[in-house]
Amino acid sequence: EVKLVESGGALVKPGGSLRLSCAGPGFSFSTYTMNWVRQAPGKGLEWVSSISGISTYTYYADSVKGRFTVSRDNANNSLFLQMNNLRAEDTAVYYCARPQGWGAFDIWGQGTVVTVSS
Amino acid sequence: DIQLTQSPSSVSASVGDRVTITCRTSQDIGRWLAWYQQKPGQAPKLLIYAASSLQGGVSSRFSGSGSGTDFTLSISSLQPEDSATYFCQHTNTSPLTFGGGTRLDIK
Repeated sequence: EVKLVESGGALVKPGGSLRLSCAGPGFSFSTYTMNWVRQAPGKGLEWVSSISGISTYTYYADSVKGRFTVSRDNANNSLFLQMNNLRAEDTAVYYCARPQGWGAFDIWGQGTVVTVSS
Repeated sequence: DIQLTQSPSSVSASVGDRVTITCRTSQDIGRWLAWYQQKPGQAPKLLIYAASSLQGGVSSRFSGSGSGTDFTLSISSLQPEDSATYFCQHTNTSPLTFGGGTRLDIK
């Protein structure tokens, strides 16, 4: 079964750091650009970051540029999001997502909750 | 960056009705548009990709149309399980922006 499983969410203080992980067994992980998407409580979806299959290209939303770093370990079918200098507005459910041929996200994880609060 | 504007932001309809949701983009994106359904506490589910292609396993009551800057998602013969929030997303180049969402309530 193709699935994605996120982990690493936690309660963290403003200015703190957190590293999210996403495991992607069950498919040829290295051939896919992978993405992070977040959803603040009661709000819509916000694309956060993308990384190409062999990490050649990375992209970030303006809201996280300079603070978040996306990476991957294809040998272990894993995607990561290093989040530094966290702010209250980063509080959200964070999803990893895999795109299909037209770029639409056909596989999503269950999400991991990040809460930034003092 | 490409902006996506969905309308309406919420809609209420009855079982058996047909509903149409609109997504307008700030630039021509061809057919690089997807539609998702999200229910409370769940991850989004892909319904439509390439503006009008139905994702496998999705009910044929869902259909998408449009190209360029104007797109629609239609849901026919509404069922109680269609109660959810629907999002559009452009899928071509980063940032892969989402629309603001349309909440659909079934009376």
